[in-house]
Amino acid sequence: LAKTTQPISMDSYEGQEVNITCSHNNIATNDYITWYQQFPSQGPRFIIQGYKTKVTNEVASLFIPADRKSSTLSLPRVSLSDTAVYYCLVGDSPLSGGATNKLIFGTGTLLAVQP
Amino acid sequence: GAVVSQHPSWVICKSGTSVKIECRSLDFQATTMFWYRQFPKQSLMLMATSNEGSKATYEQGVEKDKFLINHASLTLSTLTVTSAHPEDSSFYICSATRTLNTGELFFGEGSRLTVL
Repeated sequence: LAKTTQPISMDSYEGQEVNITCSHNNIATNDYITWYQQFPSQGPRFIIQGYKTKVTNEVASLFIPADRKSSTLSLPRVSLSDTAVYYCLVGDSPLSGGATNKLIFGTGTLLAVQP
Repeated sequence: GAVVSQHPSWVICKSGTSVKIECRSLDFQATTMFWYRQFPKQSLMLMATSNEGSKATYEQGVEKDKFLINHASLTLSTLTVTSAHPEDSSFYICSATRTLNTGELFFGEGSRLTVL
């Protein structure tokens, strides 16, 4: 399973766009990139998943360069409620023919949004 | 959306007792469930993979006799912490993937165990 590296923490202000980058140099051909959000004393919540190029949903965008060795989660116009830990995970997914959907969590990035 | 529920959400027990935590997929069938533990200010650590109808697969360093996992049906997996000790105090989280899944894991709310 590919190891991921993220900044330990980031600070931002309300209304700003926040970009969190994750490195995964050893990503395998069948691996997908998934981002989760976790608030204190809660289980992680799925944000977005992608394989290559760009993926966008109602809450975030995910940018993946051609070599797939990194990815960037983009949160537009963050609010105080976006203060949380964000995890970047790389692993097989049934979408790519993988069988386990087993995901290993890295250290995550603590995003602190200030007023 | 798919919902995974854990019970209890928190539990306090005496050292030496056993505690069972349930993980249920409420509106979908989950052939595979995962159990994680998380210490304060740390990331989630995968403990084991639970497959319906078969023995769980434990990660290296996780004692299978200490953390008993049973996945008896497509909607229920249980984690039993046997002979709990204070160092077992942690936040335990389960996750499940649908039978016909989309690649997304659905996580439970977590269960906080405190062993006195």
